[in-house]
Amino acid sequence: EIVLTQSPTTMAASPGEKVTLTCRASSSVSYMHWYQQRSGASPKLWIYETSKLASGVPNRFSGSGSGTSYSLTINSMETEDAATYYCQQGSSYPWTFGGGTKLELK
Amino acid sequence: EVQLVESGGGLVQPGRSLKLSCAASGFTFSNYYMAWVRQAPKKGLEWVATISTSGSRTYYPDSVKGRFTISRDNAKSSLYLQMNSLKSEDTATYYCARHSTYYGYNYFDYWGQGVMVTVSS
Repeated sequence: EIVLTQSPTTMAASPGEKVTLTCRASSSVSYMHWYQQRSGASPKLWIYETSKLASGVPNRFSGSGSGTSYSLTINSMETEDAATYYCQQGSSYPWTFGGGTKLELK
Repeated sequence: EVQLVESGGGLVQPGRSLKLSCAASGFTFSNYYMAWVRQAPKKGLEWVATISTSGSRTYYPDSVKGRFTISRDNAKSSLYLQMNSLKSEDTATYYCARHSTYYGYNYFDYWGQGVMVTVSS
């Protein structure tokens, strides 16, 4: 089973600040997907196939990476971006999620 | 608009069974793999089960294999999760999700609102 480790576990960012969340895989994967979960809500697909933005996702978000290291970047933090973000790998069965990064507004 | 609506959650004693349902609409249900993903209170996401378009193939992680059974009724656009021999660690919100498998890129592109299952005596 591929274990995904997200860092940091929790972080706070100010409006306008650039934010980078990291996801590391225990073995190489071909791509990574990301989900956003706001408090009390269901998860939403946010970035798929490493760098493609899901429908409705603002273009201040971007994704990159390869092999065992992937990242989600917010170019300029906004209030609505406060949420927990999960990475997920679909390259190797069983499909697994990272533990999440809780992003708070400073 | 894609909609996934779960039902059937509740409080159940350890060792007992429970069956969850998910009603799908807004897309051609029979064309998509479907899945269940759960989230224990204050914890992360865990994939629980996936079923192929026809229902002929099912997939489970070791944590639920042999206890949970995923099934579907394409005529009713409905997904099910039969959970047997429930344990306290199965306590979670269970989400129905559409499982996209294009080119082998396995991800969950639409999610329901979730249904809570509490396993406790």
